[in-house]
Amino acid sequence: NAGVTQTPKFQVLKTGQSMTLQCAQDMNHNSMYWYRQDPGMGLRLIYYSASEGTTDKGEVPNGYNVSRLNKREFSLRLESAAPSQTSVYFCASSLGPTGELFFGEGSRLTVL
Amino acid sequence: ELKVEQNPLFLSMQEGKNYTIYCNYSTTSDRLYWYRQDPGKSLESLFVLLSNGAVKQEGRLMASLDTKARLSTLHITAAVHDLSATFFCAGSGGSNYKLTFGKGTLLTVNP
Repeated sequence: NAGVTQTPKFQVLKTGQSMTLQCAQDMNHNSMYWYRQDPGMGLRLIYYSASEGTTDKGEVPNGYNVSRLNKREFSLRLESAAPSQTSVYFCASSLGPTGELFFGEGSRLTVL
Repeated sequence: ELKVEQNPLFLSMQEGKNYTIYCNYSTTSDRLYWYRQDPGKSLESLFVLLSNGAVKQEGRLMASLDTKARLSTLHITAAVHDLSATFFCAGSGGSNYKLTFGKGTLLTVNP
């Protein structure tokens, strides 16, 4: 079972470049999430989508946009990357609100 | 807004010893999760605790929940090297869709 799949796994960007992180889940989950993980900070929620067609800001949304393309896919876009966005990004999904999260393998992004 | 605090943040243990990781949360949380993250890997769900007094055990790990004290504990029995990982607790803040994570406890088990 694939579960939650993220691409790319690694990316290096220059300041000001844009990119999109892709996430897809095959568990028929309603809710999807993007987190970032930084040393000593735990996981911080960037955006989430409670259900298809809805998106909401999390704790640290500035500098990011998201699209819930369909029930399976939830993408995260950096329009103008900054060094402060260097991080490991995790996509997750859950069946419903506050449900158990299932995580993707992570995407390591470096902004120079 | 829910705040989740774990302690200790760093834990160096000897094989065979017991220890406990504590997770305090600030407001009512209708469920409490524990996750494990191996170095360079993703997060894996360990336990979901749904009610006061709930206890879950798997192998050398046992988690419990005291909603009155707003405290969950993860007890490690007779640690072995392959338990070296970062452990996170996370709580739900009521009706929203967000889990709030603690900063994690980096556990290192030494021979």
